[in-house]
Amino acid sequence: QKEVEQNSGPLSVPEGAIASLNCTYSDRGSQSFFWYRQYSGKSPELIMSIYSNGDKEDGRFTAQLNKASQYVSLLIRDSQPSDSATYLCAVNMRGPGGGNKLTFGTGTQLKVEL
Amino acid sequence: NAGVMQNPRHLVRRRGQEARLRCSPMKGHSHVYWYRQLPEEGLKFMVYLQKENIIDESGMPKERFSAEFPKEGPSILRIQQVVRGDSAAYFCASSRGLLMQPYEQYFGPGTRLTVT
Repeated sequence: QKEVEQNSGPLSVPEGAIASLNCTYSDRGSQSFFWYRQYSGKSPELIMSIYSNGDKEDGRFTAQLNKASQYVSLLIRDSQPSDSATYLCAVNMRGPGGGNKLTFGTGTQLKVEL
Repeated sequence: NAGVMQNPRHLVRRRGQEARLRCSPMKGHSHVYWYRQLPEEGLKFMVYLQKENIIDESGMPKERFSAEFPKEGPSILRIQQVVRGDSAAYFCASSRGLLMQPYEQYFGPGTRLTVT
């Protein structure tokens, strides 16, 4: 079982629709969860962080966390063509030194179609 | 620009040469992380450093790779005797101290290493 799993996609949604991206993780002790957006050939850009169960909203983005189910999701409302990118789910798994290393899923490619 | 800085952005090395990648953390950040992204693969953690200390190097290959974050100057990821399999994008990220939430890591633009 992979430590962080995402569907690779591509996930295609029409412009203006809601895009729903999902992620599961294996380490039940994980405490911090992040969503990054990565355009082709570019670096990951942090778009959301979530630390406690429930929903967290920021503009068109909503992150949802369910620690009991080891599941985290990202909703993008009113999807725009500029949202077309790969979305990476990242989980903070404490390393041997108590460090703050992130374990990434392989990403879900989102395509927003006109 | 107060963001994470990396240089060079592109680096071409012949097999057997050394590659040095540099990273300056975001202003106010004291923790540096290196990640590698191989073609068509996900981001993989390599090493986590604070000034003059390696905190976690569990993702570093055991040979040819080393990292440092000196008291003065940028963090450096060093790859000796590069091989074609080292061709990848190397990203540096930085964060504030662990005692201060959030533990968010911000990424630099990356160094694209090509080994010929």
